[in-house]
Amino acid sequence: EIVLTQSPGTLSLSPGERATLSCRASQSVSSSYLAWYQQKPGQAPRLLIYGASSRATGIPDRFSGSGSGTDFTLTISRLEPEDFAVYYCQQYVSSLYSFGQGTKLEIK
Amino acid sequence: QVQLVQSGAEVKKPGASVKVSCKASGYTFTSYYMLWVRQAPGQGLEWVGMINPSGGTTTYAQKFQGRVTMTRDTSTSTVYMELSSLRSEDTAVYYCARLHLGHFDFWGQGTLVTVSS
Repeated sequence: EIVLTQSPGTLSLSPGERATLSCRASQSVSSSYLAWYQQKPGQAPRLLIYGASSRATGIPDRFSGSGSGTDFTLTISRLEPEDFAVYYCQQYVSSLYSFGQGTKLEIK
Repeated sequence: QVQLVQSGAEVKKPGASVKVSCKASGYTFTSYYMLWVRQAPGQGLEWVGMINPSGGTTTYAQKFQGRVTMTRDTSTSTVYMELSSLRSEDTAVYYCARLHLGHFDFWGQGTLVTVSS
């Protein structure tokens, strides 16, 4: 089973700043099958990025994804107030799925 | 538009079973696998298993094998997840989510299952 480790656990930033979130896999992951989700309190997760770098429908271009192999990054170029939430990475291999433990992005 | 609508909250006693439904609309039901993901209070996301609505074949996470059963009803475009031998650690919000190319593009609103004596 592939384990995804996200860092940092909590990231404290101010609106307008740049956020960089990391997701590291215990084994190599196909870039085609690495996704990022945003979750706000009391809501279901929302797909942000799939295929490591493709934005889902309706996602603003301040969100971008990159990486390959075992290291992936979600970048939010200029934080808006609505971006403060928990972010999860997710991978798929051999009909098995797993999520990272999440990074909480909080207002500083 | 794609919608996944789940059944309401449940309260169960330890040892009981719970069956949660997820009704799909806005797309061809049999064209996309459906997965179930759960989230314990204050915790992260955990994959439970998935079903192919076309043939009914299932794949379960090893942790839940023997306790979970996923089924579907193509006449109503509904998938079901039944979890048996419930224990307090199963208290969580259970989500259904549509699978598309290895990621989950649409999610249900979630169903809270509380296991308490």
